Amino acid sequence: KNQVEQSPQSLIILEGKNCTLQCNYTVSPFSNLRWYKQDTGRGPVSLTIMTFSENTKSNGRYTATLDADTKQSSLHITASQLSDSASYICVVSDRGSTLGRLYFGRGTQLTVWP
Amino acid sequence: EADIYQTPRYLVIGTGKKITLECSQTMGHDKMYWYQQDPGMELHLIHYSYGVNSTEKGDLSSESTVSRIRTEHFPLTLESARPSHTSQYLCASATPRSSGARITDTQYFGPGTRLTVL
Repeated sequence: KNQVEQSPQSLIILEGKNCTLQCNYTVSPFSNLRWYKQDTGRGPVSLTIMTFSENTKSNGRYTATLDADTKQSSLHITASQLSDSASYICVVSDRGSTLGRLYFGRGTQLTVWP
Repeated sequence: EADIYQTPRYLVIGTGKKITLECSQTMGHDKMYWYQQDPGMELHLIHYSYGVNSTEKGDLSSESTVSRIRTEHFPLTLESARPSHTSQYLCASATPRSSGARITDTQYFGPGTRLTVL
């Protein structure tokens, strides 16, 4: 069964600290993996997208890694800010073309305290 | 920045009412989607469209219906709302983009409609 599991479910860190969020998936055949940031009451916003051949991708203070062999991804946030408080969702696609199907994780709820 | 809009943002209605959730995008995307999301849970695809006059049901069974008469507009309708329909509804649109040798879709999400049925 195609699934996307994220951990931890929730995380509280102090402003300025780093953190790493995890995503494990069983989706096959794999096409790409995306990380989204979803603020409370808002729609998700794309942070990164990685295909099979990409191991890492950065977007400012966000760095995503992908190990397609172990089917794991991580999202590292550097020097956290209060505005980083949000839910971070891992999304895996099983095809990259017209018939692409997205599998969503439940997200990690990150809270950054001052 | 994506230009995709949803109205209303919040809606509280009584059981049995007919409602339409609006979704519009100004990017000319062919693909549009409706997702349902409960708090702390993953998004579930309820409807999608690959172009005008094309609509399909998603993975999650839904009593709602959709239409795609114009490229930019993808409204979702509930003929008779029930408390079980209480949820957040997210609309998205997508366009293909190249990523190395592959073509992938980038989905842009609207802000969502928070629906409460009493």
